Amino acid sequence: GQQLNQSPQSMFIQEGEDVSMNCTSSSIFNTWLWYKQEPGEGPVLLIALYKAGELTSNGRLTAQFGITRKDSFLNISASIPSDVGIYFCAGQRLYNTDKLIFGTGTRLQVFP
Amino acid sequence: DAGVTQSPTHLIKTRGQQVTLRCSPKSGHDTVSWYQQALGQGPQFIFQYYEEEERQRGNFPDRFSGHQFPNYSSELNVNALLLGDSALYLCASSPGQGSQTQYFGPGTRLLVL
Repeated sequence: GQQLNQSPQSMFIQEGEDVSMNCTSSSIFNTWLWYKQEPGEGPVLLIALYKAGELTSNGRLTAQFGITRKDSFLNISASIPSDVGIYFCAGQRLYNTDKLIFGTGTRLQVFP
Repeated sequence: DAGVTQSPTHLIKTRGQQVTLRCSPKSGHDTVSWYQQALGQGPQFIFQYYEEEERQRGNFPDRFSGHQFPNYSSELNVNALLLGDSALYLCASSPGQGSQTQYFGPGTRLLVL
């Protein structure tokens, strides 16, 4: 099935460091979403982006909808141990009930 | 306000058997989507139900079928199970209109032996 290109694949960082990850596509999306998934659980929505160039924050998390509408970025500032998990980007081509196309995921490990 | 709920949480079946998974959407949501997540991968869209009809379908064989009930809850049925059907099956709900996007349940972990 189709998946978006997400990088890096994994990150091992020290508590307090900032984190950046990105997601790219060959197709245009009208909505970009970022989810976090912890072991044994479903993805939890972190940030939703609806307009090209949009920059949205949720606490220490900031995400941007790329100008080309083919990419998105997620930054986490001052990481803490509970940030550990797998971060997925997802795109929607059409309206908000359209199917989600997910990225391959970025596994984040934070060491104290 | 209850979120998306799914049952059962875990299931073990053997090849050739049939399975039914269940999902109750978040309050106020009338659209249910199902995704399959294999180990180490992102979720893959199976299909979506709205007004008790299949509205969109991903690249999955006819062995995967579903149903939506008048109360918006949904079932996913998989017939003639294969080893490769082992995965986490996720249900996501959203309102039929408006700006909210999809919210996921905890998933059902299916193991096919």
